[in-house]
Amino acid sequence: DQQVKQNSPSLSVQEGRISILNCDYTNSMFDYFLWYKKYPAEGPTFLISISSIKDKNEDGRFTVFLNKSAKHLSLHIVPSQPGDSAVYFCAARGNNNDMRFGAGTRLTVKP
Amino acid sequence: EAGVAQSPRYKIIEKRQSVAFWCNPISGHATLYWYQQILGQGPKLLIQFQNNGVVDDSQLPKDRFSAERLKGVDSTLKIQPAKLEDSAVYLCASSLGVNTYTQYFGPGTRLTVL
Repeated sequence: DQQVKQNSPSLSVQEGRISILNCDYTNSMFDYFLWYKKYPAEGPTFLISISSIKDKNEDGRFTVFLNKSAKHLSLHIVPSQPGDSAVYFCAARGNNNDMRFGAGTRLTVKP
Repeated sequence: EAGVAQSPRYKIIEKRQSVAFWCNPISGHATLYWYQQILGQGPKLLIQFQNNGVVDDSQLPKDRFSAERLKGVDSTLKIQPAKLEDSAVYLCASSLGVNTYTQYFGPGTRLTVL
């Protein structure tokens, strides 16, 4: 069951521009949403999170927006840097603290 | 602070063989998770421990997969016998507690079943 979906397998942006990564979910009981970043041959690392009671959370260049009515969240990276090139996973926490992950979006930031 | 350690990093076996993976979580983290990540997909939770007790193993194929967390620290995940479709990266993660949503991942073990 794909409760968390990332419909764009890849995204390419120019350095300095904005990167927008999208994520959709189906379960309205999710209470926390997280973004993880993954480099090759490494495990995912936590990037930013948002509670279901908020609609925006900002941390430096990274901002996550949550639209509960649309069951949609997005990660904005401004400005994008070449070091941001990685796979980004959207994740959502369910009732039993189980985390559901999307399939990931590979971001490439071109110098 | 040392991160989550996993070994081995890579393993190649033939189908029907057995394999075991080891994980050492971050010191003080009570909750430990094992995930399976098949190529092109996101991580899928296999089992979750709180100290040495199982919280959730609903997605663990119990006919061939087993896991234990003796003494509430290290954990071992075993597959016996392996199938071709078990080829994946097996990720271990830990968190402070079951109500803490931030999980810290190890580098993973890439398993190839031939």
